Amino acid sequence: DTEVTQTPKHLVMGMTNKKSLKCEQHMGHRAMYWYKQKAKKPPELMFVYSYEKLSINESVPSRFSPECPNSSLLNLHLHALQPEDSALYLCASSPTGEDTQYFGPGTRLTVL
Amino acid sequence: QKEVEQNSGPLSVPEGAIASLNCTYSDRGSQSFFWYRQYSGKSPELIMSIYSNGDKEDGRFTAQLNKASQYVSLLIRDSQPSDSATYLCAVNSRTGRRALTFGSGTRLQVQP
Repeated sequence: DTEVTQTPKHLVMGMTNKKSLKCEQHMGHRAMYWYKQKAKKPPELMFVYSYEKLSINESVPSRFSPECPNSSLLNLHLHALQPEDSALYLCASSPTGEDTQYFGPGTRLTVL
Repeated sequence: QKEVEQNSGPLSVPEGAIASLNCTYSDRGSQSFFWYRQYSGKSPELIMSIYSNGDKEDGRFTAQLNKASQYVSLLIRDSQPSDSATYLCAVNSRTGRRALTFGSGTRLQVQP
């Protein structure tokens, strides 16, 4: 089973709202990732968690705040977003010691 | 120079033909190479991974890696209309960083 789940599937929020995206995997993977993907562009790495610790932050604005409460769960907290933050947000996970990443279905975010 | 380069396409092939997708990368230290398929509005789906020079076959798909030429390709035999999608080449370009660098993707159209 290589399933990564993400909720919600779609999210519409205003620029003053606070919302969270959730990602879950039960494959025992110890690395989890957040990517942002705009239309007709490849995924852009935002954050990497390895063994529940933040190991990479690709200079993402502070209005995006990641959290890894346990080895199966990854959250992305959103606050004071801009319309240009509208995109598909993808979560991925990979097994310990491997590079193969498995993606969740994504959350389509629209910021009004 | 982009780290991972792909021809954006579209690459158009007739049904039943072989589709050949190409990718070049700039970091000679790259060790892991992946092909993902992405349908419009969906998340990337892993097709193949390859780590050693040569060919790797899985069903109708063959990945080819040439590290000396810094080149990786994906062949799709007996192309079907359902193969029409964007194919993303991904490379682990930084040892130990555990993050993938994606090419911009090649859009494949299989004509019935």
